[in-house]
Amino acid sequence: SAVISQKPSRDICQRGTSLTIQCQVDSQVTMMFWYRQQPGQSLTLIATANQGSEATYESGFVIDKFPISRPNLTFSTLTVSNMSPEDSSIYLCSVSHSSLREQYFGPGTRLTVT
Amino acid sequence: DAKTTQPPSMDCAEGRAANLPCNHSTISGNEYVYWYRQIHSQGPQYIIHGLKNNETNEMASLIITEDRKSSTLILPHATLRDTAVYYCIVSVRDTGNQFYFGTGTSLTVIP
Repeated sequence: SAVISQKPSRDICQRGTSLTIQCQVDSQVTMMFWYRQQPGQSLTLIATANQGSEATYESGFVIDKFPISRPNLTFSTLTVSNMSPEDSSIYLCSVSHSSLREQYFGPGTRLTVT
Repeated sequence: DAKTTQPPSMDCAEGRAANLPCNHSTISGNEYVYWYRQIHSQGPQYIIHGLKNNETNEMASLIITEDRKSSTLILPHATLRDTAVYYCIVSVRDTGNQFYFGTGTSLTVIP
C-alpha cells in the first residue's frame, strides 16, 4: 500500500479566492487522480494527474477551474479557482502503481466556501 | 459514468455475515470488480478486487457470478466498525484505472 497525505486537511475560504491542495505520497507511483465528493454524495473523478504533462480532465471539469500539477512521481497539486459556495466539497487524491490494480486514497481536504 | 447498481442501504446484526450485492450487467471482459468502503467521510479504503474467480482476503470475500454480471461482497462476521458506505466499482486496469463511483450501499451494523 501507499501512505498518502493531503494539505490542508480542511479550510474555509471566501468566494472568489483560490485554494491549492497538495497530495504527497511516500513512494513513487504510476497514476495519481483527483476526486470531488460533494456533501452527502458519492465521489466524482475530476482528472488524472499526468507526470510531466497536462492533466486529463473528465467531462464537466476544466483546467481553468481546476488546474493540476504533477512535477514528479510522488507529488501533485489541485487548485480550486475562483471559488463559489458550490465548490464546498471534500477533495481527495488517490494513487496506484502499474504493478498493482487497486487505488489508495488520501484522507481528503474538506473545503467550505463562504 | 458508473456501471454498477447497489441497494442504497442495508442493515446487518453484529456478528452475522453481511452480504452486499452489486449489479454490473454491462461489464466488459477486461474489467475488474473492486470494492471499497468509506467511513465517516474519510478516504475510501480498499477491500478486495477480482476478475472472474472468487477472492478472499483478511477483510472479506468476493463472489462473482459465472456470467460476471453481478457480485457479492461478504463480510463474514460484521462488527460495529464495519458500518460504512460500500462502493462496488468496475474498471479497466490497463487504461489507467479510472474509477467511476456509483451511489454505494450504506451498511449499518446493529448491536
